[in-house]
Amino acid sequence: DTGVSQDPRHKITKRGQNVTFRCDPISEHNRLYWYRQTLGQGPEFLTYFQNEAQLEKSRLLSDRFSAERPKGSFSTLEIQRTEQGDSAMYLCASSPSGVYNEQFFGPGTRLTVL
Amino acid sequence: AQSVAQPEDQVNVAEGNPLTVKCTYSVSGNPYLFWYVQYPNRGLQFLLKYITGDNLVKGSYGFEAEFNKSQTSFHLKKPSALVSDSALYFCAFQGGGGSYIPTFGRGTSLIVHP
Repeated sequence: DTGVSQDPRHKITKRGQNVTFRCDPISEHNRLYWYRQTLGQGPEFLTYFQNEAQLEKSRLLSDRFSAERPKGSFSTLEIQRTEQGDSAMYLCASSPSGVYNEQFFGPGTRLTVL
Repeated sequence: AQSVAQPEDQVNVAEGNPLTVKCTYSVSGNPYLFWYVQYPNRGLQFLLKYITGDNLVKGSYGFEAEFNKSQTSFHLKKPSALVSDSALYFCAFQGGGGSYIPTFGRGTSLIVHP
């Protein structure tokens, strides 16, 4: 399968711990997006990359959130010192360059902070 | 602020009847408009998009949407609903007003009754 994959699918952690999620996009896609989705809401944009460059990060929820895409392929999203309010589904999507292109989404990582 | 609204949390329709899922937007310039569908326990999937040209766009699974600039709407339609169409539907835009940040509506739950 050559779709977008995310790992892990589920993560349970204790408050104050750090977590890292991985996203593998479709290989020929230049753009990679991260979103947060909570129950009853649509995906909320967090950040995106064009190849290895992070072009927009002002929507990251706090300085505890960071993302990387070191070689323009896979990406990681890290949340430091997790809080219960961070519990949500974290989605990754990829697309070719161009704002008119649709995005291809991964299955998401469900984070539960106890 | 630029936004997209889905005024109905839930739409109920009988199988075989036509369905409409509403979306309105508030965006300066000419945004690109999208519909995505999310089936239970699966990632979001692209349905269709409006970029330019014909106001009626056709997409996957028999869905279509009509772009109406004067009413700033992009309603999703299907002539004959199937039980398998039951899912969560999201309207989204990208571009417009110089912003490249994708923005999603909160979603509409479509329930098709046998």
